[in-house]
Amino acid sequence: DIQMTQSPSSLSASLGDRVTITCRASQSISNYLNWYQQKPGKAPKLLIYDASTLEPGVPSRFSGSGSGTDFSFTISSLQPEDIGTYYCQQCENLPITFGGGTKVEVK
Amino acid sequence: QVHLVESGGGVVQPGRSLRLSCAASGFTFSEYAMHWVRQAPGKGLEWLGMISHDGRNTFYGDSVRGRIVISRDNSKNTLFLQMNGLRVEDTGVFYCARELPTNMFAAFDIWGQGTTVTVSS
Repeated sequence: DIQMTQSPSSLSASLGDRVTITCRASQSISNYLNWYQQKPGKAPKLLIYDASTLEPGVPSRFSGSGSGTDFSFTISSLQPEDIGTYYCQQCENLPITFGGGTKVEVK
Repeated sequence: QVHLVESGGGVVQPGRSLRLSCAASGFTFSEYAMHWVRQAPGKGLEWLGMISHDGRNTFYGDSVRGRIVISRDNSKNTLFLQMNGLRVEDTGVFYCARELPTNMFAAFDIWGQGTTVTVSS
């Protein structure tokens, strides 16, 4: 199975800050890496797929990059509505696996 | 409006079975592969398995293989998750999700609201 290691597991930032989350795969997954946002009590929401493609309707302050084993997700200017937990997910091979999540809070 | 609505959750005793449903609307259900994802209380997301758009192929995660069966009825736009031999550790919120029709396996662009299963004696 492909293991996905996300870091940090949590972070606290000020509104307007640039926030970056990293995700590392245990083997190469090309660009088959997706990012989701989950707010408490809600279902996950797809933000970015194929490492860097923004899902329609998602604000442009969200971005993703990387390929192979190392990926990053960035919020260019943290907004109040961005609070939640973010997950990376690989879909290069089965079983599909998720990172452990990064909880984003406002300082 | 594209929607997925899960149902069938509840409290069940260990060892018993449960069938969850996921009703799809607003899109051509038969054109999309579908997945089930579980989230234990306070934990992350765990992929349980998937079914191809036509129902011919299913794949399961290691932790549930042999205990779950995923099926679909394209005539009724409904996805199912049959769970047998439930364990306390199966407790959680169960989500169905639609897969983007882009790659062999792809991101999940639409998720249901989730249905809660509690396994307890």
